[in-house]
Amino acid sequence: DAGITQSPRHKVTETGTPVTLRCHQTENHRYMYWYRQDPGHGLRLIHYSYGVKDTDKGEVSDGYSVSRSKTEDFLLTLESATSSQTSVYFCAISDTSYEQYFGPGTRLTVT
Amino acid sequence: GESVGLHLPTLSVQEGDNSIINCAYSNSASDYFIWYKQESGKGPQFIIDIRSNMDKRQGQRVTVLLNKTVKHLSLQIAATQPGDSAVYFCAEEYTGANSKLTFGKGITLSVRP
Repeated sequence: DAGITQSPRHKVTETGTPVTLRCHQTENHRYMYWYRQDPGHGLRLIHYSYGVKDTDKGEVSDGYSVSRSKTEDFLLTLESATSSQTSVYFCAISDTSYEQYFGPGTRLTVT
Repeated sequence: GESVGLHLPTLSVQEGDNSIINCAYSNSASDYFIWYKQESGKGPQFIIDIRSNMDKRQGQRVTVLLNKTVKHLSLQIAATQPGDSAVYFCAEEYTGANSKLTFGKGITLSVRP
């Protein structure tokens, strides 16, 4: 998986609790992305980063925040998880925006 | 790895036949078009890309065709193998400051032995 790890790999949490997912890369790529994948919707971009402390919103950013304090780490936070955020979350990295390398994914269940 | 039950359209082909996976894209100003493959339980994997000023590009056993007139992209896989069974996504990119990809919904390719 091109030097990308995601943690945790599985998480079950209750509605209203905060959740943080971590993406870690060892490739020193500039760009990092968070996607969610749901039936009927494919992959949708949540947030992305084009450098340390430089982030921007994707198409489904409501309810999510991100931080990138180091090149290798990109954190996705759900401040107050809702059932609609039950999904599989993928992190991706790239040096060119179109050739992205994806991590193994995190399955999040919000009960 | 993780997988999602995506409930996607399915293309079923016989092992050894050629496969053609089609995609319609939306933005006539997109600069790059890309195909990704997602095997069960894994993240998507880059296969091949084509720039908007090209109409054909070949890789190893794969060919991507771009028809800008009708905004259509296709992926041809020669001599399909069981290992080609996966979900295939097309994606488009409009380059610019901090550009990003827009993914299609995906098609499942099932290879019959």
